[in-house]
Amino acid sequence: AQSVTQLDSHVSVSEGTPVLLRCNYSSSYSPSLFWYVQHPNKGLQLLLKYTSAATLVKGINGFEAEFKKSETSFHLTKPSAHMSDAAEYFCVVSDLGAGGTSYGKLTFGQGTILTVHP
Amino acid sequence: EAGVTQFPSHSVIEKGQTVTLRCDPISGHDNLYWYRRVMGKEIKFLLHFVKESKQDESGMPNNRFLAERTGGTYSTLKVQPAELEDSGVYFCASSTTRGLGAFFGQGTRLTVV
Repeated sequence: AQSVTQLDSHVSVSEGTPVLLRCNYSSSYSPSLFWYVQHPNKGLQLLLKYTSAATLVKGINGFEAEFKKSETSFHLTKPSAHMSDAAEYFCVVSDLGAGGTSYGKLTFGQGTILTVHP
Repeated sequence: EAGVTQFPSHSVIEKGQTVTLRCDPISGHDNLYWYRRVMGKEIKFLLHFVKESKQDESGMPNNRFLAERTGGTYSTLKVQPAELEDSGVYFCASSTTRGLGAFFGQGTRLTVV
């Protein structure tokens, strides 16, 4: 069984300061991990994904995440927050089956609302 | 290229009525998924189609929910009869055969009163 825990329901930062959104996962097999973002009144947009290649993954809009197997973590970071980053962020896991096949079923974390102050 | 499209964007119905949500996936995406977010909760998996076949419907809450995917193209999710606890945002997503990372629609916000 797979699960995801986002450690903060709300994160507030000032514009220009670093962003850290924390995520821990649990997975039976080799996981694929994702971060999605949802801006107000918009759909879910894929920010980045980890699929067993490089452990440091770069995404869109300056975001990146590091897969740490020993810590079962996949934290999302950005060096400098922008006002347009204000949104809800979801850490997501998708198990690869024993045969290495992805079934595509996603398990979402509870979401972290990021607020950016001027 | 058009993204995943969902209709309607909002729906308000009375308890006991029927509602049908529609999802048009990205052309060529064999995998189609339905998810739901009830207020205050996380986004939960409902079911997964591969082309026209149901691959996994383990997340469907009960038999008041019926999903179809005619000809492996668009999909509908019918709720009949609707109950108050069915209120939430219903997301549709699609992906290629590899299924690694899905593209989501904007969601349908369903309110049952």
